[in-house]
Amino acid sequence: AQSVTQPDIHITVSEGASLELRCNYSYGATPYLFWYVQSPGQGLQLLLKYFSGDTLVQGIKGFEAEFKRSQSSFNLRKPSVHWSDAAEYFCAVGSRGSNFGNEKLTFGTGTRLTIIP
Amino acid sequence: GAVVSQHPSRVICKSGTSVKIECRSLDFQATTMFWYRQFPKKSLMLMATSNEGSKATYEQGVEKDKFLINHASLTLSTLTVTSAHPEDSSFYICSASKAGKLFFGSGTQLSVL
Repeated sequence: AQSVTQPDIHITVSEGASLELRCNYSYGATPYLFWYVQSPGQGLQLLLKYFSGDTLVQGIKGFEAEFKRSQSSFNLRKPSVHWSDAAEYFCAVGSRGSNFGNEKLTFGTGTRLTIIP
Repeated sequence: GAVVSQHPSRVICKSGTSVKIECRSLDFQATTMFWYRQFPKKSLMLMATSNEGSKATYEQGVEKDKFLINHASLTLSTLTVTSAHPEDSSFYICSASKAGKLFFGSGTQLSVL
């Protein structure tokens, strides 16, 4: 069975500082990997996804993530955070079936990001 | 991008009553929609896959008689929480797939008193 671990429940960074959110997955083969962001009381917005090819993927809002097969990781990074980046971030893994892995997504427990001035 | 509208955003009901949550794809047709449940400080858990014109597919442990799903058209799926109890209080989110991407509704916070 696939699973996702986000070891950091809450991270606080200063505005302008760099950010890395950790994500480790468990899956029998190469999975589809996603990062979503959720603002309070809102649905989820896709930041980026990895299906195949270049292991460094670029997303919206200046985010990027790197797929490392040897470490079963898909960490999210941003070189300089903005106050508007404060939100909950979810890593997710999808199985290589139909619909680009969107069916039966397994989410991590999320990392809450707080930005301080 | 595509827009998925979810309504209501917040509902409070008495124990024993039923609550219906709507999920609409506003600018695209969605043959498949998904319903998730999110507990406080927890991850989203897939409850069921809603298929237009056919029965929904429920995940293990989800009571299909309690969480009724209807996907009568290509733009609308509804989730009805029947005979709601306080333990059903949660944040429910729907999503729809378009061109390989998932688009999420803004969620419904259900509080059962």
